[in-house]
Amino acid sequence: KAGVTQTPRYLIKTRGQQVTLSCSPISGHRSVSWYQQTPGQGLQFLFEYFSETQRNKGNFPGRFSGRQFSNSRSEMNVSTLELGDSALYLCASSLQYKGTEAFFGQGTRLTVV
Amino acid sequence: EDQVTQSPEALRLQEGESSSLNCSYTVSGLRGLFWYRQDPGKGPEFLFTLYSAGEEKEKERLKATLTKKESFLHITAPKPEDSATYLCAVQAGAGNNRKLIWGLGTSLAVNP
Repeated sequence: KAGVTQTPRYLIKTRGQQVTLSCSPISGHRSVSWYQQTPGQGLQFLFEYFSETQRNKGNFPGRFSGRQFSNSRSEMNVSTLELGDSALYLCASSLQYKGTEAFFGQGTRLTVV
Repeated sequence: EDQVTQSPEALRLQEGESSSLNCSYTVSGLRGLFWYRQDPGKGPEFLFTLYSAGEEKEKERLKATLTKKESFLHITAPKPEDSATYLCAVQAGAGNNRKLIWGLGTSLAVNP
């Protein structure tokens, strides 16, 4: 069965612009989480959606937002990009909201110049 | 404060040289501990879930164990294709306070 699909794989944006990243979870999975990964900080939790509702949120500024659609696909948006937003953005899907293992996509590599 | 610490940060082994990676944690209300493998430029790949002290899981050359304070990922007779970063994550809390806390990983290099 198909895995988690993230698009685009690579993105280069200019400071001040905004960006939207997309994630299609594994079929039947209703929970989608987003992470930012940088070499020094490791995996930082952004937010988690289940059944179109945000269930948990990490410690990121309001410039980072997300949503989930009725088919469980999710998008995250970053507005007013800063150089420090350059990172690998990972999406993970889980079958249920509580406690099951998460399966990750390949990620979107965002570079802000 | 909830915390997950992985050691060593980096490990270099010769092919066939067995070793262990450590994941120690201090969290309130452990709900599960997860091991992942990550190759450069790719998303983490799920390996194991452990839920209670004394539990063990095995997959090919990998074996994960769990105590009340730490988990070990034992690698027996590793091959070059086992080279990757191994990540540990701990799920703690309940309800809307449920969270997944990640370690920074151990970068493993296996030389032929």
